[in-house]
Amino acid sequence: SQTIHQWPATLVQPVGSPLSLECTVEGTSNPNLYWYRQAAGRGLQLLFYSVGIGQISSEVPQNLSASRPQDRQFILSSKKLLLSDSGFYLCAWSPDRVIGGYTFGSGTRLTVV
Amino acid sequence: RKEVEQDPGPFNVPEGATVAFNCTYSNSASQSFFWYRQDCRKEPKLLMSVYSSGNEDGRFTAQLNRASQYISLLIRDSKLSDSATYLCVVANQAGTALIFGKGTTLSVSS
Repeated sequence: SQTIHQWPATLVQPVGSPLSLECTVEGTSNPNLYWYRQAAGRGLQLLFYSVGIGQISSEVPQNLSASRPQDRQFILSSKKLLLSDSGFYLCAWSPDRVIGGYTFGSGTRLTVV
Repeated sequence: RKEVEQDPGPFNVPEGATVAFNCTYSNSASQSFFWYRQDCRKEPKLLMSVYSSGNEDGRFTAQLNRASQYISLLIRDSKLSDSATYLCVVANQAGTALIFGKGTTLSVSS
């Protein structure tokens, strides 16, 4: 069966510090991978999605970037965090198209101080 | 018009009540629809897909009206454990990503 791992669960970072969040999927190949952010009191915002190694689509321009160095690995990064980057970051995967919906990782709660 | 719009609630109902959530979406070309459930400080989890013919899973019934671009979720015989936020979800036109509503909060009390 497929599983998705996301870490760390909680992170407190100072403004201006870098960020790296990692997500890996097991039990499937060539998944579609996604990064979402849920800010306090707001809905899920799609940040990036990837349909293959090295293929990244950015949905919202901001100081975040994503990379997919391996088929089942998706990384979210920032060179310098802003206060507004605080939120609940969720990685998700789906088969080729989203006909069956996504499965989410357990998320990383990021607080920028 | 927002891409996916839901009444945020909260809906406060007693155990055993029937409650209905509604959702509208803006992109008439969307092909896939879902309801997700999100517990406090947890990741969203797929509750059920939504089909034009309507579908039922135990106490939960989902309906889709493509002409009106309207999706609904009916929960019968509410349980305390149904307390959560329910997210209406629509696939984008290309079918490559999901667009989430902000969610409707349900609180079931004894």
